[in-house]
Amino acid sequence: QVQLVQSGAEVKKPGASVKISCKASGYTFTTYFIHWVRQAPGQGLEWVGVINPGGGPTRFAQRFQGRVTMTRDTSTSTVYLDLRRLASDDTAVYYCTREGDNSAFDSWGQGTLVAVSS
Amino acid sequence: DIQMTQSPSSLSASVGDRVTITCRASQDISNYLAWFHQKPGKAPKSLIYGASSLQSGVPSKFSGSGSGTDFTLTISSLQPDDFGTYYCQQYSSYPLTFGGGTKLEIK
Repeated sequence: QVQLVQSGAEVKKPGASVKISCKASGYTFTTYFIHWVRQAPGQGLEWVGVINPGGGPTRFAQRFQGRVTMTRDTSTSTVYLDLRRLASDDTAVYYCTREGDNSAFDSWGQGTLVAVSS
Repeated sequence: DIQMTQSPSSLSASVGDRVTITCRASQDISNYLAWFHQKPGKAPKSLIYGASSLQSGVPSKFSGSGSGTDFTLTISSLQPDDFGTYYCQQYSSYPLTFGGGTKLEIK
């Protein structure tokens, strides 16, 4: 069965960077896009960006342009989200989610809390 | 960017009730509309794609309809496990956008 397992919680200071991971299993890794979605405490869902594990350009929400990188390691079926110049409003749970055969999200990781505090 | 507006923002219902949540897109998204259910402290669960198709394993008590700009999610025979927050999301174009959520609570 499809599984997305994310790395553990992170606590960072403002201005720092964080890199979180999402390890996929149960399917052919390079076939399906992986998206990142975040949720600030008590708030709704916000799309961050998408990576094609099979290669090609990534896409991000405008507000993250210039400070986010998404990469993948096909040898371990893992995608990474790297977010730089963290601010307090980056505090959120970050989810990875797979874009399925019908172009909609079908599976989700368990979430990774990133807390930014001085 | 396409704005997604859900209503109501909160809803109180009893076990056994049938409820309907609406979602409106700021422009035509055809049927590129998904619904998700989230419980506190948990990841969202995918319910519906293509406005009306159930994801694998989702019971038929959930149904979706609509096309263009106006969509609905209906949940019949509410059970305790159905409470939580429901989100719609458009995947017609980037950036992907979500509705603000509808919190479904037990009356």
